[in-house]
Amino acid sequence: RKEVEQDPGPFNVPEGATVAFNCTYSNSASQSFFWYRQDCRKEPKLLMSVYSSGNEDGRFTAQLNRASQYISLLIRDSKLSDSATYLCVVTGGGSNYKLTFGKGTLLTVNP
Amino acid sequence: ETGVTQSPTHLIKTRGQQVTLRCSSQSGHNTVSWYQQALGQGPQFIFQYYREEENGRGNFPPRFSGLQFPNYSSELNVNALELDDSALYLCASSPAGGQQETQYFGPGTRLLVL
Repeated sequence: RKEVEQDPGPFNVPEGATVAFNCTYSNSASQSFFWYRQDCRKEPKLLMSVYSSGNEDGRFTAQLNRASQYISLLIRDSKLSDSATYLCVVTGGGSNYKLTFGKGTLLTVNP
Repeated sequence: ETGVTQSPTHLIKTRGQQVTLRCSSQSGHNTVSWYQQALGQGPQFIFQYYREEENGRGNFPPRFSGLQFPNYSSELNVNALELDDSALYLCASSPAGGQQETQYFGPGTRLLVL
């Protein structure tokens, strides 16, 4: 089983749509959780951290369920500029805080 | 921009050659991590350096090695290049202190091995 698994995608949605990304992780000792965004041929950039209480940043809402080892990202009112690959990321604990990435899910928002 | 820089931006090598990639961390960051991202995959952790010492390593063979310098910049060296080493190599730096998990990525070096 992969450490971090995401919806394979790709997702193609019209502008204004709501889109949800799902992610599961295998290491119950994982301590921190993130969503990164990666534009084509660019580096990953932190989109938001994910907390057990859930957190929202404008049109973006992230949720964490530790019992189910499940992470989600919801994008409301999607924009053309949201087109990118969304990467689910966890840290494995321990002293080195390595980031473990999922494979990513490609989102294309169409006019 | 994150303030993390990498060089070169692109590189073409042939099988069996050696390559050195460089990373300058953001000012004030003492931790540097290296990742390999193959086409269509998420980044994979290679290793991390903290205050010039290796601080964890992923599932990569010994021909992948690194260094961190007193100014916290870093190098990734790969010996005996293989075709599968073709990838985007990303460097990420982290702030001093406890926020090591907040990692800021550089633009990457694209390596093509022929």
